[in-house]
Amino acid sequence: SAVISQKPSRDICQRGTSLTIQCQVDSQVTMMFWYRQQPGQSLTLIATANQGSEATYESGFVIDKFPISRPNLTFSTLTVSNMSPEDSSIYLCSVEEFTGRGGYTFGSGTRLTVV
Amino acid sequence: GENVEQHPSTLSVQEGDSAVIKCTYSDSASNYFPWYKQELGKRPQLIIDIRSNVGEKKDQRIAVTLNKTAKHFSLHITETQPEDSAVYFCAASPIYGGSQGNLIFGKGTKLSVKP
Repeated sequence: SAVISQKPSRDICQRGTSLTIQCQVDSQVTMMFWYRQQPGQSLTLIATANQGSEATYESGFVIDKFPISRPNLTFSTLTVSNMSPEDSSIYLCSVEEFTGRGGYTFGSGTRLTVV
Repeated sequence: GENVEQHPSTLSVQEGDSAVIKCTYSDSASNYFPWYKQELGKRPQLIIDIRSNVGEKKDQRIAVTLNKTAKHFSLHITETQPEDSAVYFCAASPIYGGSQGNLIFGKGTKLSVKP
């Protein structure tokens, strides 16, 4: 299956600042997905990133707050802007597998704490 | 849009017993149903999935059943072991693959297997 490297693994940030999370995949993928997992909760899709076009955001998530870049088929970034304590969550990237058992594979996640 | 309900939220079983987790979905267009296991502090891991052209799938101690008419699917774990203790998430996707292949997750079931 695809190997997904996500950085940073965790960070503690001051409110009002921004953090950029990187997701690197060891193979070329068409779609990359960004999820948020609030403490003790399920996973919620933030946006879908397709190389060469603007990301598609889910209801409740906007580009100004969560800008996404997708410069090539192996890399994407998610920025959490103007952070508040409510943004404290785990952020995970995910890719779709078309080989092996298929399905969607997740990165190791970024644990963000906003103080 | 799709809505996935998952029950129970917590489940405690004795080692060796079976565990069953049930999910219902709302969108009849959904045709891909994966199950993920998430251990504390780790990423979700795909453990089994099923597509709408299959009613049941088994992988060693794990099985998933799908009833498209009733819009529900279930995870069955037999001969449970303490290492099965984790949070399990079901998910549904309208289309496997492509720009609409994002997952909608249930709220999760915390499974505890007592030795």
